[in-house]
Amino acid sequence: QVQLVQSGAEVKKPGASVKVSCKASGYTFTSYGISWVRQAPGQGLEWMGWISAYNGNTNYAQKLQGRVTMTTDTSTSTAYMELRSLRSDDTAVYYCARDPVVVVPAAMAYFDYWGQGTLVTVSS
Amino acid sequence: QSVLTQPPSASGTPGQRVTISCSGSSSNIGSNYVYWYQQLPGTAPKLLIYRNNQRPSGVPDRFSGSKSGTSASLAISGLRSEDEADYYCAAWDDSLSGPDVVFGGGTKLTVL
Repeated sequence: QVQLVQSGAEVKKPGASVKVSCKASGYTFTSYGISWVRQAPGQGLEWMGWISAYNGNTNYAQKLQGRVTMTTDTSTSTAYMELRSLRSDDTAVYYCARDPVVVVPAAMAYFDYWGQGTLVTVSS
Repeated sequence: QSVLTQPPSASGTPGQRVTISCSGSSSNIGSNYVYWYQQLPGTAPKLLIYRNNQRPSGVPDRFSGSKSGTSASLAISGLRSEDEADYYCAAWDDSLSGPDVVFGGGTKLTVL
């Protein structure tokens, strides 16, 4: 069965960086992309970007350009999301989700399997 | 401020039919498919509807989606207590500021 298992909760100080991992199993990792979505406490969902597990192509949300980097390690079927220059409003649960968009960004918002979420708290 | 607009809350009694609206623009709903997600308390979102009106395997046919112009709707018939959750619409947005996936602000459904 398809599973996405994320790394544990993190507490960071403002200005620091965080790197969240998402280990995939139960499907061919390189046949899909991974999107990242975050949710601030009591708030709605916000798409952060997409990475192709096939060729490493990325498409980042305009709002996060320059602060976010998404990567994959195909040898371990793991995707990573690094967010830099953290601010208090980056406090959120971060989700990875399987995305059928494989090679280049496409006009879809189809996320069929999700990780359990990783709480990142930014506080001084 | 979300790009897609949803009512913050909706409610119904068991067995009723409720609808949740999602309003967008020509750069998102007007030119791309709409997707709906259900988020039960304390859990990750779950894909409920894709390509405007298609249900993934395992989603009951009590859930249905529709789209007209720059708006979309999610209908839930035969409301059940386990349907109490937050519901989000989503779509691709082709705006000049950069293509993004955009979500609605979410609708909290209460089963009375």
